[in-house]
Amino acid sequence: QKEVEQDPGPLSVPEGAIVSLNCTYSNSAFQYFMWYRQYSRKGPELLMYTYSSGNKEDGRFTAQVDKSSKYISLFIRDSQPSDSATYLCAMRRTGNQFYFGTGTSLTVIP
Amino acid sequence: DTEVTQTPKHLVMGMTNKKSLKCEQHMGHRAMYWYKQKAKKPPELMFVYSYEKLSINESVPSRFSPECPNSSLLNLHLHALQPEDSALYLCASSQALAGISEQFFGPGTRLTVL
Repeated sequence: QKEVEQDPGPLSVPEGAIVSLNCTYSNSAFQYFMWYRQYSRKGPELLMYTYSSGNKEDGRFTAQVDKSSKYISLFIRDSQPSDSATYLCAMRRTGNQFYFGTGTSLTVIP
Repeated sequence: DTEVTQTPKHLVMGMTNKKSLKCEQHMGHRAMYWYKQKAKKPPELMFVYSYEKLSINESVPSRFSPECPNSSLLNLHLHALQPEDSALYLCASSQALAGISEQFFGPGTRLTVL
C-alpha cells in the first residue's frame, strides 16, 4: 500500500465550479501537509501548507485536514481556466523526507 | 524571497557526456533536495542534503553524483547517462529537520539523453 493515495483524475469542470481534490494516507505519523500546483513542464508551486486538523483558507483556496480519518482536501472556489494544472498533495513526518501523492490533473473549461 | 533557481533550463546530452545541473537558493534553508520527475508522475526523491552533508541517498545509480559546495548551492553531476534518465530534474529546499517547514521547488531542468 502506498503511503499517500491520490486519485489521478483527470478532472474536468466548468469555469466557476467548486473543485474538491483529495488525498488519503496510511501513516498517522504524518504531521505536515502541503498542496502544490504544477503547470505542464514547470516545477511544483507551493499553494497551501498546514500542520493541524481543521481548515486553512487563502483566497479561493481552502485546505482541510482530518487527521482522525487520515484525509486531506483542497477546495478551489470559483475555478478559473488558469487553475488548470496538476495538483499534488505532499506530507511529512519529522525529518527531511516528503511523501507525494500521484497528482490530480484538473482542467477548467471556459 | 521564496525562489529556488536552476540552470540550465534545458539540457541535451549524449551517453558519453559529462554535464552538471546547478541549483541555488537564498532563503537560508539548510536542507536541499534533488528529485527526478517523469511525465505524469510525482517527483521521485534522489538525494537530500542537510547542513551541507548528504543525509539521504535513495539508491540512486552512481552516474548521478550530488555535491553541496555551500549552504546556498547544490549541484548534480551527470556522467554516462542512459536514455531512460531523460526527465525533469527538480531542486528543492526547506528549513532543516525539526519544526515546521515548507518545501520550495525550482522550475526544473529538462534533461534529454540521446
